[in-house]
Amino acid sequence: DTAVSQTPKYLVTQMGNDKSIKCEQNLGHDTMYWYKQDSKKFLKIMFSYNNKELIINETVPNRFSPKSPDKAHLNLHINSLELGDSAVYFCASSQGSGGVTYEQYFGPGTRLTVT
Amino acid sequence: QKEVEQDPGPLSVPEGAIVSLNCTYSNSAFQYFMWYRQYSRKGPELLMYTYSSGNKEDGRFTAQVDKSSKYISLFIRDSQPSDSATYLCAMSFPPGNQFYFGTGTSLTVIP
Repeated sequence: DTAVSQTPKYLVTQMGNDKSIKCEQNLGHDTMYWYKQDSKKFLKIMFSYNNKELIINETVPNRFSPKSPDKAHLNLHINSLELGDSAVYFCASSQGSGGVTYEQYFGPGTRLTVT
Repeated sequence: QKEVEQDPGPLSVPEGAIVSLNCTYSNSAFQYFMWYRQYSRKGPELLMYTYSSGNKEDGRFTAQVDKSSKYISLFIRDSQPSDSATYLCAMSFPPGNQFYFGTGTSLTVIP
């Protein structure tokens, strides 16, 4: 069973388009994240949701809007795509507060190419 | 200055060598320290997890944390070609919602 899944795996689109990436986790975790990994492999957090509530919102253009319909899902919508948005986007989840461990589990990534 | 610094490599070693990977950090509030392994075109996977200072061993892997020096290490003994990957260190502090990653070190183990 896949713990954290993302769709689509690859996304090629033109500048100016709007696209969405979906993420689902079946681990029962209450915290989910979106990361952007650039060509140099640097993993930078974009957003984090805990129990459907936004708790981390890093300096990200407001063209990026996350949505969490429930604890198990966190989607990322991107408006007016730009060339610089080309990267791999990873979804992750973790069990949050309460004295439990804080490891993150990552999805397989969505490779976004903007032409 | 980044919160977490990691030498990107690349690092190339012969099979069977001992590999040492390191990260330094600036925020003394970090208490949770992790190492992730990322194969090409895959998501990072958690390899080792340590709370506060000390050592942790798991098979051929040993994680060390020296909070006084703000320095963490991952040692791989008897390295195998299957260990070839990018290794990312990560750390967080209570309440543990936000993780800070190093830039990753690319490792190649040559048969």
